[in-house]
Amino acid sequence: EVQLVETGGSLVQPGKSLKLTCATSGFTFSNAWMHWVRQSPEKQLEWVAQIKAKSNNYATYYAESVKGRFTISRDDSKSSVYLQMNSLKEEDTAIYYCTSGSYDYWGQGVMVTVSS
Amino acid sequence: DIRMTQTPASLSASLGESVTITCRASQDIGKSLLWFQQKTGKPPKILIYTASNLVSGISPRFSGSGSGTQFSLKISSLKPEDTANYYCCQGYSLYTFGAGTKLELK
Repeated sequence: EVQLVETGGSLVQPGKSLKLTCATSGFTFSNAWMHWVRQSPEKQLEWVAQIKAKSNNYATYYAESVKGRFTISRDDSKSSVYLQMNSLKEEDTAIYYCTSGSYDYWGQGVMVTVSS
Repeated sequence: DIRMTQTPASLSASLGESVTITCRASQDIGKSLLWFQQKTGKPPKILIYTASNLVSGISPRFSGSGSGTQFSLKISSLKPEDTANYYCCQGYSLYTFGAGTKLELK
């Protein structure tokens, strides 16, 4: 059974940092491209970042709204993908989902609230 | 950035009816278009990829069409379980989601 479990969400003040983890199992993670997608309280979905596999040199891509502040990374030995979020803004408040490269597997999401 | 304009924002239809949701891209995206269904409290679920290819296990009542800048998702013979939000997403240049369509059954 495929599982993706996100952790690390919390309430954080603007300007602070947070790191999300997505632990996966049940599929060949090392070959998979992975994404982070977020959903605002208004239900708008926004693609955040993508990381490709080792065969693609772990190439990364970011939405303009997070470029320079967020970093996606992965640890194939732990079948996990991460999202380091720095200089958080109130507009980063959302449910953050990790999902596989073809969007066929999703985690249940983790809530990040940025507020003073 | 590519913008996706999805219409309508909401619609209500009766059991057994068919509905169509449309998405317009701000530039030619070929067939790089995905459709998702999201039920309350759940993550999105992919229905269709490359504009018209049905994901394995998805009911054939769902169908997608279009290319270039105009796309549509048709849901036939509506059932209660089709109540959900539906989103299009372009994958031509990074990814951009439409604003979503809320489908309710009368």
